[in-house]
Amino acid sequence: DTEVTQTPKHLVMGMTNKKSLKCEQHMGHRAMYWYKQKAKKPPELMFVYSYEKLSINESVPSRFSPECPNSSLLNLHLHALQPEDSALYLCASEGSQSEQYFGPGTRLTVT
Amino acid sequence: SQQGEEDPQALSIQEGENATMNCSYKTSINNLQWYRQNSGRGLVHLILIRSNEREKHSGRLRVTLDTSKKSSSLLITASRAADTASYFCATDLVAYQKVTFGIGTKLQVIP
Repeated sequence: DTEVTQTPKHLVMGMTNKKSLKCEQHMGHRAMYWYKQKAKKPPELMFVYSYEKLSINESVPSRFSPECPNSSLLNLHLHALQPEDSALYLCASEGSQSEQYFGPGTRLTVT
Repeated sequence: SQQGEEDPQALSIQEGENATMNCSYKTSINNLQWYRQNSGRGLVHLILIRSNEREKHSGRLRVTLDTSKKSSSLLITASRAADTASYFCATDLVAYQKVTFGIGTKLQVIP
C-alpha cells in the first residue's frame, strides 16, 4: 500500500470551533509531515514527526496542535483558527531517501 | 526563504513539444527531487537524483543535476495535456533534517 490518506477532504469551521485533521499511511515510514499550502505557493512545512516524536516545529502558532498516536497515524488539532489559516493542509510520509509521499490534502476554510 | 527557485515560473507549450524547467539552489544537498501537483491536489513524487548523479531518466522525464552550478533541470518530452500541472523541485539539504520546496513552475500543455 503506497497511499497516504487524509480526512476530511474539505472542512469549513468557525473561529471558535475545534476540529481535527487526520492522516494515515501503511508504508512503514517512520517520519511524517504536516504542510500548509496557500494558493499558488509551495508547501510550507509546519511539523515533522520522527519515530512518533515531534522533531521539527516550524514556529507554528499554538492554535495548531499536532499529535502522532502511532507510527501510522498523524493528527492535526485545530482550535480558534483565523481566516488567514484557510489553506490546503497536506500530510506526507517520508521514504528511505527522504522522498515524500503526499496525501490528497484537506481544504480548510475558516469563516 | 525557499531553497529552490524554479525557472520559468510559468510555461505554456503545445502538446507534443518538450518542456524544460530549471531549479537553482544555494547550499549543499544530499539529493534533489521533483514533484508534480495537479490543481488543488496532493503532490506526487516524480524523480529523485542524488548529489553524486548527473542525469536520471524515468519514462518521458529526464533530470540533470550540476552541483558545481547548484542547478537542476527537468525535461518532459512529448508533452501531453495531462502533464498540465505545477512542478516543484525540492532539496534535501545536508545541513537540515527537512526537504525544502521551491516556488514551482506552472506548466500548461495546450491540446
